[in-house]
Amino acid sequence: GAVVSQHPSRVICKSGTSVKIECRSLDFQATTMFWYRQFPKQSLMLMATSNEGSKATYEQGVEKDKFLINHASLTLSTLTVTSAHPEDSSFYICSARPSMNTEAFFGQGTRLTVV
Amino acid sequence: KNQVEQSPQSLIILEGKNCTLQCNYTVSPFSNLRWYKQDTGRGPVSLTIMTFSENTKSNGRYTATLDADTKQSSLHITASQLSDSASYICVVSEASNYQLIWGAGTKLIIKP
Repeated sequence: GAVVSQHPSRVICKSGTSVKIECRSLDFQATTMFWYRQFPKQSLMLMATSNEGSKATYEQGVEKDKFLINHASLTLSTLTVTSAHPEDSSFYICSARPSMNTEAFFGQGTRLTVV
Repeated sequence: KNQVEQSPQSLIILEGKNCTLQCNYTVSPFSNLRWYKQDTGRGPVSLTIMTFSENTKSNGRYTATLDADTKQSSLHITASQLSDSASYICVVSEASNYQLIWGAGTKLIIKP
């Protein structure tokens, strides 16, 4: 199956700093990528939909100025958590689809811990 | 409101036994239904994806069924192994905008 690579898998940062997470589709082009957040023992929660070459669409309640998303190419999307706080500590997962009605492939996830 | 509900919330079974996980949905219009396996601290991995016309689909020891009339799906795991311990998530895709509606998942624990 198609491969989505997410990096880093784990990151620890200090409060007030910014962290960038990368999501790459390795063997297909993804015009749309998705960013999810997952709290312990809960299912994935969609944060935003990232479209190549345009601004991301954020779900209600997600701060677009805090979670900056850039979809620079058909194979790369980045999520930057700006001015991170301990409550931003979570598991972040990206997903990519070759097209909207096809299978979604997920990255390995990034465990963010803000201290 | 589009919703996906899964049951049970958690399940513990002995290695080698079979089990069935349930998924009920109210998503409309319907595009497809997916079952994912998510190991702790990892991203979800697709097990099956079924469209409206498909009643059953297998992937090794995993067999998913879909009843589009009653809007129910099940995931049957045969001869469970310790490596089957994970969360199993039912996801339904809406046909109008292909939005994915996520269930809360069933946490399955296989004991030796």
